[in-house]
Amino acid sequence: QKEVEQNSGPLSVPEGAIASLNCTYSDRVSQSFFWYRQYSGKSPELIMSIYSNGDKEDGRFTAQLNKASQYVSLLIRDSQPSDSATYLCAVIAGGTSYGKLTFGQGTILTVHP
Amino acid sequence: EAGVAQSPRYKIIEKRQSVAFWCNPISGHATLYWYQQILGQGPKLLIQFQNNGVVDDSQLPKDRFSAERLKGVDSTLKIQPAKLEDSAVYLCASSSPAPGGPHNEQFFGPGTRLTVL
Repeated sequence: QKEVEQNSGPLSVPEGAIASLNCTYSDRVSQSFFWYRQYSGKSPELIMSIYSNGDKEDGRFTAQLNKASQYVSLLIRDSQPSDSATYLCAVIAGGTSYGKLTFGQGTILTVHP
Repeated sequence: EAGVAQSPRYKIIEKRQSVAFWCNPISGHATLYWYQQILGQGPKLLIQFQNNGVVDDSQLPKDRFSAERLKGVDSTLKIQPAKLEDSAVYLCASSSPAPGGPHNEQFFGPGTRLTVL
């Protein structure tokens, strides 16, 4: 089982729709969770971090964390063509991981006009 | 605030040659990371420094890869000799405060795209 697994893509949504990106992780004691956006040919850009169960909203983005289910998601409301990118889920495990980020394989999102 | 700087941005070499990458982290960031990102995959951690000490190099192919951060600021990553499968983007990231805490947000540089022919 992969340590961090994302829903297989690519994901295509129409402009204005809600895009839902999902991620599961295997280490039950993981404590920190991040979503990065990566445009083609660019480096990952941090867009959301979440540490506690529940929802965290930032503009059009909402991150949801359920530690019991080992599940984290990212919702993008009112999707725009500029949101088209690869979204990477990343997790910091608990214990003596020294803050090591483990990434999922990424989900490619395309928002079409 | 200036971001993470990396150079060169692109490098093309023949297999068995050597190559070096440079990274300058965000000012004041004690922790520096080198990642390898192969096309279509998420970044994979190669090595992590806390100041000038190594805290994790478990996924670094030590027979050919080496890295140093002598004064706790800049870092270099070297590959010698390069193999075809080393073709990837090499990303440097930095973070603050100390790793292991819950708020270890990492910020990435633009990366170096390496092509090994």
